[in-house]
Formats: sequence, C-alpha cells, structure tokens
Amino acid sequence: GQQLNQSPQSMFIQEGEDVSMNCTSSSIFNTWLWYKQDPGEGPVLLIALYKAGELTSNGRLTAQFGITRKDSFLNISASIPSDVGIYFCAVSNSGYALNFGKGTSLLVTP
Amino acid sequence: GAVVSQHPSWVICKSGTSVKIECRSLDFQATTMFWYRQFPKQSLMLMATSNEGSKATYEQGVEKDKFLINHASLTLSTLTVTSAHPEDSSFYICSASPGTSGQDTQYFGPGTRLTVL
Repeated sequence: GQQLNQSPQSMFIQEGEDVSMNCTSSSIFNTWLWYKQDPGEGPVLLIALYKAGELTSNGRLTAQFGITRKDSFLNISASIPSDVGIYFCAVSNSGYALNFGKGTSLLVTP
Repeated sequence: GAVVSQHPSWVICKSGTSVKIECRSLDFQATTMFWYRQFPKQSLMLMATSNEGSKATYEQGVEKDKFLINHASLTLSTLTVTSAHPEDSSFYICSASPGTSGQDTQYFGPGTRLTVL
C-alpha cells in the first residue's frame, strides 16, 4: 500500500508538556484519521478529518488535515500519564480500507 | 455505541491446527468488516475486506486459502487461520463499518492474540 511517514517514532515527555506529531504521504488522501492504541488493545479513534484544511479538536487533542491532502498533524496539550500509548495516523480514499502509519510511541512521566 | 467485540481475546494452539476468530458488531449492523494483522512493535496491516454475503477481498500477499473469512451476517465475521504455523503468531484485529459511505468510521475490536507453538 501507500507509504505513510509518521514522526517522531517515539516521544518521552513530562506530564504537562504539549505534544506534536505528524504524518505525511507522497499521495493524496481524502480521509485522515488519528487512532490511539494501548498495549494489547485495538485502536481507538481520536479524530477524523474529511476536508482539506480542516482543524478539529477533541478535548486536549487537536488535529489538522493539510491543505494539500498529503499530511496531517496531531497535537496533545497538557499531557497526562494516561496519554501514554501508540498513536497511529491512518488514511483512506474512496473505499474504507485504512492504511496505517508506523505509529508514534508516547511516554509521559509524572 | 459502536462496540465491536472479538473472541477469543487470546489463543494458543499447536502447529498444524486451525483457529477461528470471531468479530461481532454489538450495537450496529456492519455492512463491511476488515481484518488486520499486527506484529510486535509494528503497525496494523490490512489482510482482507469482507462485505456481508459476498466473498472477501484479500490484500496482496495474503493467502485466501489459509486465512478463511466468512461474513455471513451483518453482525458477525469470522477469520479462520488454517494449518497455523509459528509465523502466523500475531495480533489479529477486526474492524467494522456500518455503511457504504466513504466517510463511515471503522470501529475496532480489542484484538485476538494468536500464539502458535
């Protein structure tokens, strides 16, 4: 499938800090999604983006769909220990099959 | 709402045996279900897409005769790993989508950890 470049690969931050991660592709996609996966669990949808340029918030999370439809970022403000996990971006076009990025592992210290 | 369950949550089997994994949408009807595989410290890789009442569409490199998918109802899809071998050990995750619109969200199950001895 199409390759997604997700960065950073991992982050180690202190509680209260803001976090930013992004995802880029060489191809255009119409849907960009951000998921969080806890160990041994399935991914949970955080934010879905359907329009280029769209900026969407979900609590302390904010994500934007790049205007070129080739990138997206996810910000987490005022991180807390339960934010620990792996964050995946995922994309799709006309169908529903998702192509996942390699994930960003987030560790938060109290 | 939009809960997807998987059973079993984990299974250990001997090499050469077959294992069936169930994926159920508990509070919605799933027109489409997807099966993913995730190896340790890696991302989710789509294995196949199944629509209720029709044959599954497999991704390139996924053996359809080894990974049998049945989507006989709008709330249940099954994945059977036939003649499992140690290299099939992985985390298998299903997802379900309620409709046919390109904007329909996929809801993921909790995953099934398969270990083949």
